[in-house]
Amino acid sequence: GDKVKQSPSALSLQEGTNSALRCNFSIAATTVQWFLQNPRGSLMNLFYLVPGTKENGRLKSAFDSKESYSTLHIRDAQLEDSGTYFCAAGDDTNAYKVIFGKGTHLHVLP
Amino acid sequence: GGIITQTPKFLIGQEGQKLTLKCQQNFNHDTMYWYRQDSGKGLRLIYYSITENDLQKGDLSEGYDASREKKSSFSLTVTSAQKNEMAVFLCASSISGYEQYFGPGTRLTVL
Repeated sequence: GDKVKQSPSALSLQEGTNSALRCNFSIAATTVQWFLQNPRGSLMNLFYLVPGTKENGRLKSAFDSKESYSTLHIRDAQLEDSGTYFCAAGDDTNAYKVIFGKGTHLHVLP
Repeated sequence: GGIITQTPKFLIGQEGQKLTLKCQQNFNHDTMYWYRQDSGKGLRLIYYSITENDLQKGDLSEGYDASREKKSSFSLTVTSAQKNEMAVFLCASSISGYEQYFGPGTRLTVL
């Protein structure tokens, strides 16, 4: 099975509403990165986390290594938040490698 | 700040052809990566390099070669392009396996 599972796989939101994306890990994840891939294919860095939480504007992320999951909360969704969100988990068996989830496709509706 | 550039942006090849993709970074990062992304899917690791002249195989290395000629550059070669293959190849770099930063990608189409 997938070592990094993202949910939901796709999501539509009305502009101005809130949502949460999730990654569950079946590996001993040591770090988590969250990215947004825009329609042109570029990957933007959102968060790099060790266990704990970080916040940046309307985005907030948490990583719980004991419960093996991470969340990304989007507050007051805007049209420019549309795209594909990926999480990537650092694996404790190799400090240089990360494992990507399959992504959550987010569509913010006007 | 820094930037990662990938060349070419678009690559069209013929079946059986050897194709080379290039990546340059000016972050002064020691570790560099090549990933493949198929349409609508996640990223899979092809090769990575911890330092100049080092090469490590990822999960998808069969059919590819890589070369880390110097700290700032990392090349990937498709040894024999497969007919109807379409994918995006993404290069990334990091400091010793910490936060990874990505280039804009090379889009491959094989006729």
